[in-house]
Amino acid sequence: RKEVEQDPGPFNVPEGATVAFNCTYSNSASQSFFWYRQDCRKEPKLLMSVYSSGNEDGRFTAQLNRASQYISLLIRDSKLSDSATYLCVVNRGTGGFKTIFGAGTRLFVKA
Amino acid sequence: EAGVAQSPRYKIIEKRQSVAFWCNPISGHATLYWYQQILGQGPKLLIQFQNNGVVDDSQLPKDRFSAERLKGVDSTLKIQPAKLEDSAVYLCASGGQGGDTQYFGPGTRLTVL
Repeated sequence: RKEVEQDPGPFNVPEGATVAFNCTYSNSASQSFFWYRQDCRKEPKLLMSVYSSGNEDGRFTAQLNRASQYISLLIRDSKLSDSATYLCVVNRGTGGFKTIFGAGTRLFVKA
Repeated sequence: EAGVAQSPRYKIIEKRQSVAFWCNPISGHATLYWYQQILGQGPKLLIQFQNNGVVDDSQLPKDRFSAERLKGVDSTLKIQPAKLEDSAVYLCASGGQGGDTQYFGPGTRLTVL
């Protein structure tokens, strides 16, 4: 079993739809969590950090459930420009922490 | 602020040849990462440096891959000799001392024929 798992998709949604991605992690020592976005043939870029209390940035909401060891990303009112791969990232340890990326979930938003 | 610089952007070699990639992180960033991303997969960490020391190289195939960050600034990743399965994008990223947020360079796309 992979340490960080995501539904690979693809998710095909119309503009204006709400879409949710989930990510599970297996190591309970994991300490910090992020969502990155990667456009086709581009490098990953930080979308948002994920906090236990949940956090929101415009149309994007991230949630962390430590008890169940999963992270979610909700995108409301999808735009064509949201089409990308969304990568779940987990850090564990302190000082010499280790970063693990999920395989990513592909999203296609269509007009 | 200048981002993470990588070169070359593209490289095509034949199997058993050697290749080297260069990365210059964001100024002041203590942590530097090298990732391998195969098409359709997420980035896989190869090696992580904190200043000029190695923090994690558990997934680096040490029989053929090597990396160094001698002065704690820029870094070089080498593959010697290359195999067909090394075809991938090699991403360099940097982060601050705590290293939480990573900033990626544009990557080097390697094709091994």
